[in-house]
Amino acid sequence: QVQLQQSGAELAKPGSSVKISCKASGYTFTSYYISWIKQTTGQGLEYIGYINTGSGGTNYNEKFKGKATLTVDKSSSTAFMQLSSLTPDDSAVYYCANWYFDFWGPGTMVTVSS
Amino acid sequence: DVVMTQTPPSLSVAIGQSVSISCKSSQSLVYSDGKTYLHWLLQSPGQSPKLLIYQVSNLGSGVPDRFSGTGSQKDFTLKISRVEAEDLGVYYCVQATHFPLTFGSGTKLEIK
Repeated sequence: QVQLQQSGAELAKPGSSVKISCKASGYTFTSYYISWIKQTTGQGLEYIGYINTGSGGTNYNEKFKGKATLTVDKSSSTAFMQLSSLTPDDSAVYYCANWYFDFWGPGTMVTVSS
Repeated sequence: DVVMTQTPPSLSVAIGQSVSISCKSSQSLVYSDGKTYLHWLLQSPGQSPKLLIYQVSNLGSGVPDRFSGTGSQKDFTLKISRVEAEDLGVYYCVQATHFPLTFGSGTKLEIK
């Protein structure tokens, strides 16, 4: 069955970076773009951007340019999102999902604290 | 960015009742291909969101036909007929016509 498996929770210090993974299984990886979504209690769901899993091309929400970097490793059917220059505002649950939103990962909680 | 206004913020209903959730967009959601990319998601407690309805009125895989979606242009509605206990959670509309995609603020459904 189709699955998106995400890496585990991260505790990071302000100013550092984290890299979250999203490993796909059960389908041809390059068949679907992968989207990334941020969820916080205060801001709800926010769309970060997507990556074309075939070409590696990306499209970012302007709000997350410079914050998030999306990459892909086709050999392992894995998409990655790196979050840089972390601040407490980056504390959230981050989801990967396919473009059509019919497959979602379980989410990765990122906590930024000194 | 397109603003998605979702109402009500919360609902409390008895099993077997019907409910409707409204989602209004600040711009038309009709894409240049003629399709309308307005979807509905349900986030059950402790879970990832799940696709309920895509492109206004099409049921997602395995979604019971108690769920239905209607609407056009800027005004959309999700209806749940004969609410069941498993329907509790937060419902979101999301538009995928304009980039960046944007979500409604959610409607929390509680069971009386």
